Amino acid sequence: GEDVEQSLFLSVREGDSSVINCTYTDSSSTYLYWYKQEPGAGLQLLTYIFSNMDMKQDQRLTVLLNKKDKHLSLRIADTQTGDSAIYFCAESRASGGSYIPTFGRGTSLIVHP
Amino acid sequence: NAGVTQTPKFQVLKTGQSMTLQCAQDMNHNSMYWYRQDPGMGLRLIYYSASEGTTDKGEVPNGYNVSRLNKREFSLRLESAAPSQTSVYFCASSEFGVATNEKLFFGSGTQLSVL
Repeated sequence: GEDVEQSLFLSVREGDSSVINCTYTDSSSTYLYWYKQEPGAGLQLLTYIFSNMDMKQDQRLTVLLNKKDKHLSLRIADTQTGDSAIYFCAESRASGGSYIPTFGRGTSLIVHP
Repeated sequence: NAGVTQTPKFQVLKTGQSMTLQCAQDMNHNSMYWYRQDPGMGLRLIYYSASEGTTDKGEVPNGYNVSRLNKREFSLRLESAAPSQTSVYFCASSEFGVATNEKLFFGSGTQLSVL
C-alpha cells in the first residue's frame, strides 16, 4: 500500500469548509506539510506543522495532527473558487541519516458556486 | 525573484532519443531534487542531491542520470527515452539540506512526451 495516503477528490460548495485528510507512516517525521498545486504550475508550500503540535491555525487554514493515529488534516474555512487545486500531504521520511520529502497522491479540491 | 527555474517547459521525444532537463536555483540552497508526477500517482522522487558534489537515488531512478554541476544547477538526463518516461518533471530545492526537515521550493515543471 501507499506510504502517504489521501483521498483523490473532494467537491465542496463555495463558502463551505473543506477538510482534506491524510495518513502517513513514518513516526519519526518531524515536520508534516501541505502543498498546493494550481493547474499548470509547480507545488507551493501552503503550511506545515511540527510533530509536537496538535494544531496550527493560519488565517483560513487549520492543520490538525493526531500523532498516535498518524493522521493529518487540512481544513479550509470559507472555501473560495480560487482554492480549487490539488493538495498534497507530505512527510519528511528518515532514510540513512537524511530526511527525504515523500508525497501522497494529492487530493483534487473542486469548489463550485 | 526567479526561485527555481526549469528548462524546457515542454519537450517531445522519440523513443531512444536522449535529452537533458536543466534546473537552476538562485536561493543558495544546499539540496536539490528531481520528481516526476504522473496522473493519480502523486510525486515520486527520482534523484536528489543533498549538497554540492553528492547525488543519491530516490524511489524511481532507473533510466535516469543526474549531475550536480555546481551549487545552483542540477540536471536530469534521459539517455534513451522510453514511453514510460512520459511525465511532468519537477525540480525542487531546500535550504539546509536533507539533514533537517526542510520545506521545498518547486520549479514550474517540464512536460515531457515520449512517442
